[in-house]
Amino acid sequence: AQSVTQLDSQVPVFEEAPVELRCNYSSSVSVYLFWYVQYPNQGLQLLLKYLSGSTLVKGINGFEAEFNKSQTSFHLRKPSVHISDTAEYFCAVSDLDSSYKLIFGSGTRLLVRP
Amino acid sequence: GAGVSQSPRYKVAKRGQDVALRCDPISGHVSLFWYQQALGQGPEFLTYFQNEAQLDKSGLPSDRFFAERPEGSVSTLKIQRTQQEDSAVYLCASSSYSGSPYNEQFFGPGTRLTVL
Repeated sequence: AQSVTQLDSQVPVFEEAPVELRCNYSSSVSVYLFWYVQYPNQGLQLLLKYLSGSTLVKGINGFEAEFNKSQTSFHLRKPSVHISDTAEYFCAVSDLDSSYKLIFGSGTRLLVRP
Repeated sequence: GAGVSQSPRYKVAKRGQDVALRCDPISGHVSLFWYQQALGQGPEFLTYFQNEAQLDKSGLPSDRFFAERPEGSVSTLKIQRTQQEDSAVYLCASSSYSGSPYNEQFFGPGTRLTVL
């Protein structure tokens, strides 16, 4: 069964600094990969997704992620964060057989300090 | 336009009570999903509907959990004889067509269930 690991439960960073949130998944077979953001008292919002093609994926709010098949990773990056980026970030995977079924990691809380 | 809405937003139940959680998907969305998010964890898949057909219920944790979508729009997740381990946020999501990853799943704000 697929699984997703987000090793960092919390990442503190100063405003305007770069940030990387790490995500690794378990399977080496073809998968689809996603990053979602969850603001307090709001639903999950899709930041970006990798389905096929270019391994560098650009998303909303200046975020990007790179799919690395050999390392089974899909790390999320932003070159300069804002206070408003403070939120919980979830990495998710689905496989080709049941592509509708998102399997989420445990989340990383990004805390941006002034 | 209106997003996915869920009601109630908060529900407190005594152990052993039955609860019903409602999801109103985005109008016209064919697919509907339920997820359970325990405190400090990521969401876990519960079940998937395409129109009124429940195509996958493999994530429902026990036979106390039941979901329905009788007219292919609004869905209800029912939990019978609630237990403390059922305490979680229950998320509903919908997508425009099939459950393909090419169709984004839009999430509601969730219902926070607390079982005392």
